[in-house]
Amino acid sequence: EAGVAQSPRYKIIEKRQSVAFWCNPISGHATLYWYQQILGQGPKLLIQFQNNGVVDDSQLPKDRFSAERLKGVDSTLKIQPAKLEDSAVYLCASSQHIGSNEQFFGPGTRLTVL
Amino acid sequence: QKEVEQDPGPLSVPEGAIVSLNCTYSNSAFQYFMWYRQYSRKGPELLMYTYSSGNKEDGRFTAQVDKSSKYISLFIRDSQPSDSATYLCAINNQGGKLIFGQGTELSVKP
Repeated sequence: EAGVAQSPRYKIIEKRQSVAFWCNPISGHATLYWYQQILGQGPKLLIQFQNNGVVDDSQLPKDRFSAERLKGVDSTLKIQPAKLEDSAVYLCASSQHIGSNEQFFGPGTRLTVL
Repeated sequence: QKEVEQDPGPLSVPEGAIVSLNCTYSNSAFQYFMWYRQYSRKGPELLMYTYSSGNKEDGRFTAQVDKSSKYISLFIRDSQPSDSATYLCAINNQGGKLIFGQGTELSVKP
């Protein structure tokens, strides 16, 4: 079974630029999550999708972050404009159904904002 | 007060040692408690989870929950260099929203 795929793996941008991350979850997984993991901290949930609908985006900084999951499969997370404090690893995870304790994580995209 | 608190370490032990990793949490309503392992430059992977109080064992790993003191632990017996990673405790705050501790970095020296 293929795991969660993410691209790019690394990205370096200057502040105020925009950036987009892509995620392909495990086939058949209805629930998709985006997490932000700042160095030395645990992952923090940004947004949760169930199929192509948003379940929870309470911790997403909506003035600069946006995410979509068209057709209930792949997802894209965008930051525009980026700030220095957005430097982090952005992890995508998926699970078979909402409420599942087991979430499968991708390798993450490491973003550096200069 | 953070919902989940974890001693960040780092923790360094010799091979074969027993390792104890701990977290505390604030909300007594939490029911599902998880431990994830994260190798360097990889995403977290689920080690084990427990429901409510009690112990759960899987090979060299034992997870323990004490709801009366809001304390969760992970014990690793006969630790190996391959166990060197960051260990994250997490709580499922209904609907699959995981709240993670900040992680404990463990190094097992041969």
